[in-house]
Amino acid sequence: NAGVMQNPRHLVRRRGQEARLRCSPMKGHSHVYWYRQLPEEGLKFMVYLQKENIIDESGMPKERFSAEFPKEGPSILRIQQVVRGDSAAYFCASSPQGLVEQYFGPGTRLTVT
Amino acid sequence: QKEVEQDPGPLSVPEGAIVSLNCTYSNSAFQYFMWYRQYSRKGPELLMYTYSSGNKEDGRFTAQVDKSSKYISLFIRDSQPSDSATYLCAMSAQGGSEKLVFGKGTKLTVNP
Repeated sequence: NAGVMQNPRHLVRRRGQEARLRCSPMKGHSHVYWYRQLPEEGLKFMVYLQKENIIDESGMPKERFSAEFPKEGPSILRIQQVVRGDSAAYFCASSPQGLVEQYFGPGTRLTVT
Repeated sequence: QKEVEQDPGPLSVPEGAIVSLNCTYSNSAFQYFMWYRQYSRKGPELLMYTYSSGNKEDGRFTAQVDKSSKYISLFIRDSQPSDSATYLCAMSAQGGSEKLVFGKGTKLTVNP
């Protein structure tokens, strides 16, 4: 059973470009979470999605950030017009319905130059 | 006051030592408590999961929760160099799917 998959693993963008991060949950998991980890900081919740629904986006910055989890395909975290402060590791986690345990992917390390 | 406080360390111990890692929290609604291990430049790996107060043991690892003190601990017995990693505590208030609130993590080094 493959774990949570994220791609790309490393992403370099210039200021002002768009970044798209992809996450495929574990097989049988219908819930996806995105977290951001800044250097020397813990993981910070961004958004929680189920298929075609955003359940909780209380941790998402109000501008430039969006997320989706379509009926088919991976979940996408999209950052428009990236700035240097967006440089971080972005982790996706998934869980089965009704369970609190979350399983994390390897992360995407975004560097904004 | 942050919701979850965790001493970042670093913590350095000799091989075979008993390691104690701790977190405190302020939100009395938290009922589900997890410990994750994160190796450098990798994703967090779920180690232990406990509900409410009490102890849970899994091999060399023991998780303790004291809700009255809002204090949780992870003990590692007979520590090994392969245990060298950052340990993150995480919590949530509700059962079922919900966001986790993490501590900053404690960096542990076990020296051979």
